[in-house]
Amino acid sequence: DAKTTQPPSMDCAEGRAANLPCNHSTISGNEYVYWYRQIHSQGPQYIIHGLKNNETNEMASLIITEDRKSSTLILPHATLRDTAVYYCIVRVRGSQGNLIFGKGTKLSVKP
Amino acid sequence: GAVVSQHPSRVICKSGTSVKIECRSLDFQATTMFWYRQFPKQSLMLMATSNEGSKATYEQGVEKDKFLINHASLTLSTLTVTSAHPEDSSFYICSAHAPHEQYFGPGTRLTVT
Repeated sequence: DAKTTQPPSMDCAEGRAANLPCNHSTISGNEYVYWYRQIHSQGPQYIIHGLKNNETNEMASLIITEDRKSSTLILPHATLRDTAVYYCIVRVRGSQGNLIFGKGTKLSVKP
Repeated sequence: GAVVSQHPSRVICKSGTSVKIECRSLDFQATTMFWYRQFPKQSLMLMATSNEGSKATYEQGVEKDKFLINHASLTLSTLTVTSAHPEDSSFYICSAHAPHEQYFGPGTRLTVT
C-alpha cells in the first residue's frame, strides 16, 4: 500500500469548513483513497473513499487531484463532535489485507 | 454500514490473570478479522490477522503464546491476553473484513493493575 503524508494537526472554527489534506504521490492506478477518523477512545469510523472522481456522502466530500497524488477531505460545516484524528489511507479496494494507519491529522474544532 | 461489536468495552484485571476480548460482526460474515493495539497518543498497530478456521498470523514482535486468538466462526473472533502485565494495558481494537470494506469495533480498554 502506498504511503501517505498528512499534517499532524489542524484547527477549525465550529460551523466552518474543515479541509484536511493528504499527499499520496506514490499511489498506484488501482489504489483507492480511504478516509477514516477516530474520536477519542473509540474505534476508527469509515468516512469516505474514492478512486479518481470527487465523492460526496452525508459525512464529507473527497476531492482527488487529477494526477491522484493528493486529496482533500472536506467537512462542510464542522461541529465540536468532529474533533478527532483523521487518517488518510490508500489501498487496493477489496484487498484482504489490513489497513495500515499512519499518524493522521488531529483536527480540533473550536467554538 | 456494517456493525462490529466488542465485549467488554473496558476491563480491569490484576497482574498475572488472563482476559478474553470478543469481537463480533453483527450483520455480515467475516472470514478475516484483525486485532490492533493502540497506546496513548499513538496510532493503531496491527497485532495479528485472524482467519476463520485456521491459525492466526502474528506481526513481528507480538507473542503468539501471550495473545491467543481464536476465530471459531464467521462472526466471532476472540483475543485472550494471558498472564497479563501492566505493560499490556492498552486499547485493543478489532476489525472485520466485509466485501470491499473493513469495519472496526468500538475498542476495549484494558487496564492491568
